[in-house]
Amino acid sequence: EDQVTQSPEALRLQEGESSSLNCSYTVSGLRGLFWYRQDPGKGPEFLFTLYSAGEEKEKERLKATLTKKESFLHITAPKPEDSATYLCAVGSYNAGGTSYGKLTFGQGTILTVHP
Amino acid sequence: ETGVTQTPRHLVMGMTNKKSLKCEQHLGHNAMYWYKQSAKKPLELMFVYSLEERVENNSVPSRFSPECPNSSHLFLHLHTLQPEDSALYLCASSQDTGGAYGYTFGSGTRLTVV
Repeated sequence: EDQVTQSPEALRLQEGESSSLNCSYTVSGLRGLFWYRQDPGKGPEFLFTLYSAGEEKEKERLKATLTKKESFLHITAPKPEDSATYLCAVGSYNAGGTSYGKLTFGQGTILTVHP
Repeated sequence: ETGVTQTPRHLVMGMTNKKSLKCEQHLGHNAMYWYKQSAKKPLELMFVYSLEERVENNSVPSRFSPECPNSSHLFLHLHTLQPEDSALYLCASSQDTGGAYGYTFGSGTRLTVV
């Protein structure tokens, strides 16, 4: 069974204070690792997909990296508008080597950036 | 209108009521999903529809009944719910049936069972 664990559960930063969020995972066959951002009262918003160890992707102040066991979401010089819950999810291949889009999510990291 | 639209945004229902949640996607995607999000718990997959065929029923109680009449619409019919069913119900769609390009989520329906 696929498992995803995110840490820390909550993170408070001052504006401009860079940090990282962690996503540890176990999966039978990784199809992709996904990062989402969720604002209160809204659905998750897609950020990145990473497919293989060593891959990196960037978007504005966010950078996602992937190893065989974990992913990091690095936030450089965050601003108050970066405050949100960040969700990590993995997709895997089933025993037959196929998949139908099922993602397993972690519980999320609540990020608060103070001005 | 673009994206994934869910209605209603908020719903309060009694345990003996019957109601339905609606989801519509305008992206031409081939797969649609229902997820349940409870406080401080990971998103829980409920149902997956791929090309209008249900491919996953993740041990969900029968008081939740999904319906996918076409590739653009998804419903979740609710009856005789329990207070512990109160949660945010999220609909999502993906371009390919493998979901390799991520999901597009709707804004969710906040359900309260009284």
